[in-house]
Amino acid sequence: AQKVTQAQTEISVVEKEDVTLDCVYETRDTTYYLFWYKQPPSGELVFLIRRNSFDEQNEISGRYSWNFQKSTSSFNFTITASQVVDSAVYFCALSPQGTGTYKYIFGTGTRLKVLA
Amino acid sequence: DTEVTQTPKHLVMGMTNKKSLKCEQHMGHRAMYWYKQKAKKPPELMFVYSYEKLSINESVPSRFSPECPNSSLLNLHLHALQPEDSALYLCASSQLPLGLDEETQYFGPGTRLLVL
Repeated sequence: AQKVTQAQTEISVVEKEDVTLDCVYETRDTTYYLFWYKQPPSGELVFLIRRNSFDEQNEISGRYSWNFQKSTSSFNFTITASQVVDSAVYFCALSPQGTGTYKYIFGTGTRLKVLA
Repeated sequence: DTEVTQTPKHLVMGMTNKKSLKCEQHMGHRAMYWYKQKAKKPPELMFVYSYEKLSINESVPSRFSPECPNSSLLNLHLHALQPEDSALYLCASSQLPLGLDEETQYFGPGTRLLVL
């Protein structure tokens, strides 16, 4: 079975605090992709990052960083010095790799509220 | 440019109406998707088109009828909908998976549909 768990339903932080959003996945596939998307109140899902299962390097992009650990099946997302504009629902998704496979398995999302 | 556009942004329709949702992308992507998203839930895949042919129908009721007139356009025709069909409808596109390489899906802003 393939599954993505985002145990944190909602997180509230004060502006400038660091916050980590957790993502734990289950899959029997050896090759797969993991994604993070941001969904602000406007509704559009904004692509943030894609990571394949063979690349465990952590990644930093500005205030965003991602920690991928296959040993714990986790792909966590950290926002440093959070801002009000970071307020959104964040989805982690798993996509098995292979021809003809188009489906994303989404987590239930984590709603982040950054308070001024 | 990673832009997917959707029209209209909002739609209110009665249960006897016929309406259409439109989606357009000019990224040269050959896979296009329709998702349905209820409040506080992740997106649920409805349909996938690859090379303008329907490749996945996730057992969607026939009152939803997709159409892909060309590689840049995707329509969703709506007829005799029920109030429970009220949701955010998201369109996405991606390059087709090439060999073992799964591509990122890019989402449009969505159409918020209310069925009265």
